[in-house]
Amino acid sequence: QSVLTQAPSVSGAPGQRVTISCTGSSSNIGAGYDVHWYQQLPGKAPKLLIYGDTNRPSGVPDRFSGSKSGTSASLAVSGLQGEDEADYYCQSYDSSLSGCVFGGGTKLTVL
Amino acid sequence: QVQLLQWGVGLLKPSETLSLTCAVYGGSFSGYYWSWIRQFPGKGLEWIGEINQSGGTNYNPSLKSRVTISVDTSENQFSLKVRSVTAADTAVYYCARFEGQRLVLDYWGQGTLVTVSS
Repeated sequence: QSVLTQAPSVSGAPGQRVTISCTGSSSNIGAGYDVHWYQQLPGKAPKLLIYGDTNRPSGVPDRFSGSKSGTSASLAVSGLQGEDEADYYCQSYDSSLSGCVFGGGTKLTVL
Repeated sequence: QVQLLQWGVGLLKPSETLSLTCAVYGGSFSGYYWSWIRQFPGKGLEWIGEINQSGGTNYNPSLKSRVTISVDTSENQFSLKVRSVTAADTAVYYCARFEGQRLVLDYWGQGTLVTVSS
């Protein structure tokens, strides 16, 4: 059971926009801790996609964007491409654990 | 360019000790926490713990009694030991750099599959 809650799957056609949500609680996202998003391609390690709620590391396309409000955060992917098919995980910090917490992951399928 | 390269034994029997090491190339070794995370076969991610260059550690309370993370600053390496493993410890183990201002895991190792089976 993951501390942060994500829907197991989402899908969209090429060119469409999809959003992936991440819900936490008052000890993590709701406490004001940053939310980060990772993309995991099959057989690979997670790769940082969005950090500090809304920021993209160098090299990440601007089709990926993040937002946060209250105890939830969202990742939006616009202009869907086949290469976006992957698992996406949210991560924050939890004051009760004094460590990192993760969402259960959302599998994005490009139809 | 920061790179993390990890290695260790991939097949263990119940009650044995899991041992993994992660080497850091590029960037500064100081000023960060160096973390271990595992990913279960069902794909959930679990934070195991972290260490800084001075040896200061933080552990997940659910694993604290069985886990030791150590550091070798002369080699820019850090290691993970998990004692008394069971099948429930079967997972892909990752090392990662933890950036303490944003609280983000910004660089990851390639992962090591550890299977516990009799």
